[in-house]
Amino acid sequence: EAGVAQSPRYKIIEKRQSVAFWCNPISGHATLYWYQQILGQGPKLLIQFQNNGVVDDSQLPKDRFSAERLKGVDSTLKIQPAKLEDSAVYLCASSFGTGGFYEQYFGPGTRLTVT
Amino acid sequence: AQSVTQLDSQVPVFEEAPVELRCNYSSSVSVYLFWYVQYPNQGLQLLLKYLSGSTLVESINGFEAEFNKSQTSFHLRKPSVHISDTAEYFCAVSESGGNEKLTFGTGTRLTIIP
Repeated sequence: EAGVAQSPRYKIIEKRQSVAFWCNPISGHATLYWYQQILGQGPKLLIQFQNNGVVDDSQLPKDRFSAERLKGVDSTLKIQPAKLEDSAVYLCASSFGTGGFYEQYFGPGTRLTVT
Repeated sequence: AQSVTQLDSQVPVFEEAPVELRCNYSSSVSVYLFWYVQYPNQGLQLLLKYLSGSTLVESINGFEAEFNKSQTSFHLRKPSVHISDTAEYFCAVSESGGNEKLTFGTGTRLTIIP
């Protein structure tokens, strides 16, 4: 079974530029998560999708971050414009469902450096 | 809202010695508890979980954790560590019956000394 795929693995941009990350979840997984992991901290949930609907985006900085999950499969997370404090690893995870316990499977992450 | 505290950011241990990684949580509702492991240059993997039932849970590679409701703790232990256990370990909590939103601690880097 293929795992969660993310690209790119690394990205370096200057502040005020825009950037986009892509995630392909495990086939058949209805729920998709984006986490932000700043160096020295644990992952923090940014947004959770159930199919192509948003379940929780309470911690997403909506003035600069946006995310979509077209057709309930792949997802894209965008930052526009980027700030220095956005430097972090962006993790995508997927799970089979919601409303009980379903293990979340994590991708390798995208390491973003904003200079 | 939930929160997780991992008091030790780094734990060095000699090979074959025992180890305990501490985790305390705060929540006003019933919770599920997890330990995730991140090996060097790899993604997060679920190590073990407590959902209900027996308060002692075990992983396939010799780790165990015990849910202590009165102390709001979920410490991770292994009686004898191996070089391959070198990794970062994250404790996490989610609201039972909720939307599986995970709240993570800041992580503990376990370094095994040969």
